[in-house]
Amino acid sequence: GAGVSQTPSNKVTEKGKYVELRCDPISGHTALYWYRQSLGQGPEFLIYFQGTGAADDSGLPNDRFFAVRPEGSVSTLKIQRTERGDSAVYLCASSLMAGVGNEQFFGPGTRLTVL
Amino acid sequence: TQLLEQSPQFLSIQEGENLTVYCNSSSVFSSLQWYRQEPGEGPVLLVTVVTGGEVKKLKRLTFQFGDARKDSSLHITAAQPGDTGLYLCAGHYNQGGKLIFGQGTELSVKP
Repeated sequence: GAGVSQTPSNKVTEKGKYVELRCDPISGHTALYWYRQSLGQGPEFLIYFQGTGAADDSGLPNDRFFAVRPEGSVSTLKIQRTERGDSAVYLCASSLMAGVGNEQFFGPGTRLTVL
Repeated sequence: TQLLEQSPQFLSIQEGENLTVYCNSSSVFSSLQWYRQEPGEGPVLLVTVVTGGEVKKLKRLTFQFGDARKDSSLHITAAQPGDTGLYLCAGHYNQGGKLIFGQGTELSVKP
C-alpha cells in the first residue's frame, strides 16, 4: 500500500514569508508525527497528533510554528514569518497508534530553504 | 531534557571490516530503536529493543540494549558497501509517541 507522502518535496521561500507543509499519513494510522532534521543531525521532534488532537507539542520551537490535523488524517505544518534558521528537512511519520510498540513510518520529507 | 549521544559521528571502513556504533543517555528509555536513513528518504526502522540486556540479531547486524536501559549498541559484522548510510538511534523515554533521536552515524563502506 501507499506510504507516507509529503508535499511539496522542496520549498524555497524568502525570509518573512508564510509556508505550509502537507503530510498524508498511511490510511488507518491514527497517530501522526512531525520532526525536523538539520544537515548532519538526527531528526528533532516537533509535535504529534493522536487523532485530531495534538497529544504533545513540546518540540515546537516558538509560536511561529503551528500544526493542524482537522479530520484526523492529513496534517499541515504552518510556519509564519520564516527565518533562515528554519531551513531544514521536515519529516512526517505515522503509526497505527501512538506510543511504544507502534512503529513510526516516515515520509521522504520536505526540504525547506529560507533565503 | 532527554538526550541521546551517538558515536562515532562518522565512520569510513573497508568492506569486510567489523564496526560498532554506540548510543548513550543519562535517562532511562522505555524502548530504543535503530533506524537507517538513505539520502532524500525518511528513516527506516531496523529494530526495537525494550528489555534491559536484550540482544537482537538481524543478519549481520547485532543490537544490544544496556541492562539499565540507558545505552545501546549496533554491531555490524563483515560490512558491505550496501551498508553505507546514516544510522540513527532513537528512544521513547515514556509511554508517549515522542521519539528522541541521536545525532546519527554516517557510515561509508568502501569496496
